[in-house]
Amino acid sequence: GDSVTQMEGPVTLSEEAFLTINCTYTATGYPSLFWYVQYPGEGLQLLLKATKADDKGSNKGFEATYRKETTSFHLEKGSVQVSDSAVYFCALSHRDNDMRFGAGTRLTVKP
Amino acid sequence: NAGVTQTPKFQVLKTGQSMTLQCAQDMNHEYMSWYRQDPGMGLRLIHYSVGAGITDQGEVPNGYNVSRSTTEDFPLRLLSAAPSQTSVYFCASRGGGGTEAFFGQGTRLTVV
Repeated sequence: GDSVTQMEGPVTLSEEAFLTINCTYTATGYPSLFWYVQYPGEGLQLLLKATKADDKGSNKGFEATYRKETTSFHLEKGSVQVSDSAVYFCALSHRDNDMRFGAGTRLTVKP
Repeated sequence: NAGVTQTPKFQVLKTGQSMTLQCAQDMNHEYMSWYRQDPGMGLRLIHYSVGAGITDQGEVPNGYNVSRSTTEDFPLRLLSAAPSQTSVYFCASRGGGGTEAFFGQGTRLTVV
């Protein structure tokens, strides 16, 4: 079945450092891919998405490109801020009836 | 718009008690799901529904029941609470296959 494998954390960075969180997936066909962010005590919020191969999703300085040849959707940001500290989830949504999530990666950004 | 509304936000139960977690959405979404979130485990699907009157099991359905009598509501019932059900529960809805999910704020449940 479909699955998502996500880079394990936690990840600790200094402010203004470059961020990469790796995500790979296994799925039949052409799923849509998502990154969600969860701030402490809150639910998950959509950060960005891509619906077909070579699409790039972007939001709030974060980017991820749908790479079908490597079945990947890595999250990147050029310069992280303390306010980016959160848990990040990679997910896929297919014609099937449920979404699949990675295990989540906790990011801490220090001033 | 309210989006997805979950109640209650916090709950403490004694072992063996039953309760219902409420979830309502106002976006006319077909798909609704319940997840539990445990440390280091990510999100695990409990039950889901693809429309009123249709439900199915996810990865971890044991000990939980659901029903979907209307498009808007998707309650999750704990039949006889156990300490292993201590978790944070999230309800989500989405418009269809391939679309993004919208999440509620979560219910933090402790079973003692």
